[in-house]
Amino acid sequence: ETGVTQSPTHLIKTRGQQVTLRCSSQSGHNTVSWYQQALGQGPQFIFQYYREEENGRGNFPPRFSGLQFPNYSSELNVNALELDDSALYLCASSFGGSSTDTQYFGPGTRLTVL
Amino acid sequence: KQEVTQIPAALSVPEGENLVLNCSFTDSAIYNLQWFRQDPGKGLTSLLLIQSSQREQTSGRLNASLDKSSGRSTLYIAASQPGDSATYLCAVRHVGGKLIFGQGTELSVKP
Repeated sequence: ETGVTQSPTHLIKTRGQQVTLRCSSQSGHNTVSWYQQALGQGPQFIFQYYREEENGRGNFPPRFSGLQFPNYSSELNVNALELDDSALYLCASSFGGSSTDTQYFGPGTRLTVL
Repeated sequence: KQEVTQIPAALSVPEGENLVLNCSFTDSAIYNLQWFRQDPGKGLTSLLLIQSSQREQTSGRLNASLDKSSGRSTLYIAASQPGDSATYLCAVRHVGGKLIFGQGTELSVKP
């Protein structure tokens, strides 16, 4: 157990809808990263938040957005869902925002878009 | 652009065998390399993290090595057990803090 929790565990949406996924960081961690893992693939970096500011973004369109709250929990929002957004969404927390911190992953949210 | 490749994509071995999983990366400018385990439909469990200044890390039956100059890492599993069956992912930590993952090696250990 890493102490990182995600909700919900599973979610089914239809194309065009919007979805919000949530992540609660490990105690004391101020950095959250989000990853998308399609079936049979490695996770792909979406973005990272450090002390409530986005400080890194991968190759994802603007309809993928996020928030980090003062308690360092985080949300991932996806608008105008597409079939290809079906994936396991993972969040990872760490302390310090540096490039050498160990990231601890949550169990993920499985999103299915029909 | 950093690319991470894992070979083989899948591996099946009998219980008790020692095995090696391979990971290669194209850009040696990394901060560290991490090996993860992923059970079907689950999140990632960190196994070993090797900083760029280190050559290897060990934990129990697992040993990971890193050769930055050649862009390679190996994960050695000794005396494999059926409970080791999972997908193993390697990831390099890059500028900006993001992890870049390989596609994983799916390991099956037969009793």
